[in-house]
Amino acid sequence: ETGVTQSPTHLIKTRGQQVTLRCSSQSGHNTVSWYQQALGQGPQFIFQYYREEENGRGNFPPRFSGLQFPNYSSELNVNALELDDSALYLCASSQGMAGGNLSPLHFGNGTRLTVT
Amino acid sequence: AQKVTQAQTEISVVEKEDVTLDCVYETRDTTYYLFWYKQPPSGELVFLIRRNSFDEQNEISGRYSWNFQKSTSSFNFTITASQVVDSAVYFCALLPGGTSYGKLTFGQGTILTVHP
Repeated sequence: ETGVTQSPTHLIKTRGQQVTLRCSSQSGHNTVSWYQQALGQGPQFIFQYYREEENGRGNFPPRFSGLQFPNYSSELNVNALELDDSALYLCASSQGMAGGNLSPLHFGNGTRLTVT
Repeated sequence: AQKVTQAQTEISVVEKEDVTLDCVYETRDTTYYLFWYKQPPSGELVFLIRRNSFDEQNEISGRYSWNFQKSTSSFNFTITASQVVDSAVYFCALLPGGTSYGKLTFGQGTILTVHP
């Protein structure tokens, strides 16, 4: 069973640039969630994709956008980067939507984004 | 609105000591789920436990135990006979019932350092 993989591991960008982060979900999982974790903070929910549609969004501006592909892999795009976007971006996958008796979220190792 | 508070920012213990990590949550939902995750230096969040709001039984798993008390909105986590490998950041998280599974609300985390 392949776990959640994210690429790249580290990235350095300049303010104003655009960035794309990638995530391959765990085998059999059709839901992907993205989180932003600033240094010393807990992860904050950005948005979730289920069957290629955005399903729920946290308190993030529209310049944070995403995609989910037919194979359930996903991308997180951030436009017009700001210094405060520097963080660890975590992707998590799960099977289905409800929180009842499903398996827990499986997280990747994250992408460390630094904006200078 | 959901909120999770982990008042202990950092805890430092010596190996073999017992340590308890506190978690207090706020939610208006009558059905919800609580989680603990561990984040080692590698970055990925490792699932430890999930509890349903209607199941207040305490749970023990090896050296780990959890104390869930709805009356005080707390879900504390105890590590017995701590080991150096337990050193990590620990997060408590909340998911309202009926919410898409990816939308966890995390606390700010507790950094646990276990010294040899």
